[in-house]
Amino acid sequence: AQSVTQLGSHVSVSEGALVLLRCNYSSSVPPYLFWYVQYPNQGLQLLLKYTSAATLVKGINGFEAEFKKSETSFHLTKPSAHMRDAAEYFCAVSDRGGSYIPTFGRGTSLIVHP
Amino acid sequence: KAGVTQTPRYLIKTRGQQVTLSCSPISGHRSVSWYQQTPGQGLQFLFEYFSETQRNKGNFPGRFSGRQFSNSRSEMNVSTLELGDSALYLCASSLTGGETDTQYFGPGTRLTVL
Repeated sequence: AQSVTQLGSHVSVSEGALVLLRCNYSSSVPPYLFWYVQYPNQGLQLLLKYTSAATLVKGINGFEAEFKKSETSFHLTKPSAHMRDAAEYFCAVSDRGGSYIPTFGRGTSLIVHP
Repeated sequence: KAGVTQTPRYLIKTRGQQVTLSCSPISGHRSVSWYQQTPGQGLQFLFEYFSETQRNKGNFPGRFSGRQFSNSRSEMNVSTLELGDSALYLCASSLTGGETDTQYFGPGTRLTVL
């Protein structure tokens, strides 16, 4: 069974600093990979997804992620954090089986200090 | 275009009762998925409906059920509520539910079981 590990339940950065949120997956076949953001009292919003095109995926709000098969990783980065980026971030994986049935990581809370 | 709407937003029930949650997908979307989000278990996939048929199901007991209507609106039902069913229930819709489709989430229904 596939699984997703997000290292660090909380990540704290200063405004303007680099954001790096880590995600590692466990799957025998490279799956589809996704990053979502959840703001307080809201549902999830898709930031970006990897579906086996380019390994460097650009998403919304200035975020990007790089798929590294050798490291089974799909880390999320943003060059410069904004206060509005403070939220919960979820990495998800879905097998290549036709339907989207995601397995989510436990989430990482991004805290941005002024 | 209106987003995914969920009603009610908040609900309080007592153990043993049953509850029905409603989800209206984005117009034109035929796939509706349901998720449970709790602090202990995180985000978990419940089931997915497409064209009024349950197409995929997560690992939840039979107390959790759902249905989809011809207009793609969906309901989920939880019978014989337990304290552990307290959670945020999220609904998401997509065009076809395919593995590379983008899912759009509603704001969720917060269920509290006393």
